[in-house]
Amino acid sequence: NAGVTQTPKFQVLKTGQSMTLQCAQDMNHEYMSWYRQDPGMGLRLIHYSVGAGITDQGEVPNGYNVSRSTTEDFPLRLLSAAPSQTSVYFCASSRGGGYTFGSGTRLTVV
Amino acid sequence: AQSVTQLDSHVSVSEGTPVLLRCNYSSSYSPSLFWYVQHPNKGLQLLLKYTSAATLVKGINGFEAEFKKSETSFHLTKPSAHMSDAAEYFCVVSDQPNSGYALNFGKGTSLLVTP
Repeated sequence: NAGVTQTPKFQVLKTGQSMTLQCAQDMNHEYMSWYRQDPGMGLRLIHYSVGAGITDQGEVPNGYNVSRSTTEDFPLRLLSAAPSQTSVYFCASSRGGGYTFGSGTRLTVV
Repeated sequence: AQSVTQLDSHVSVSEGTPVLLRCNYSSSYSPSLFWYVQHPNKGLQLLLKYTSAATLVKGINGFEAEFKKSETSFHLTKPSAHMSDAAEYFCVVSDQPNSGYALNFGKGTSLLVTP
């Protein structure tokens, strides 16, 4: 049972490049969400999904897009990376209780 | 609206002494409350959760937390600190099913354990 799998673990992007952070869960969880973690800020919600085909914005959605075509996958897209998006990104899933987190993606934008 | 305030950004204790990490919350609904721990360069691990059952919640590694509605608090305690407890601790609230039970994190408390 893999839980929540995030890829890649590390990524360096140049300003203006685009990329997709992948997130997959094998627990048939209805709810999924993306967070970013910055020093002294805790984790902040970027986007979330309450089921396949349904997504909504969180606290810090600007510069990010998401889609949820299947229950298992919830990719996060950066359309034009900016240095302010340098952060550690966590994906998480839940059936309605506590969330299970992936191991994170450390992204650096130069 | 839901929010969490962790009252101390840093806490330092000696090994073998009690640990107290303080958390206050606000919520419009009946909240679920969590404590997560993050060791350096690691992911997040669930320590314990409160979901309207017993107000005293026991978690892993000897940690426990008490939900006090009248004080809107959910403080984390451990009777005796161990060196391996040094980490970042996050108090988290979740209360709305229509937001996917999305989590609202406190800014974290860094726990230092000295020999």
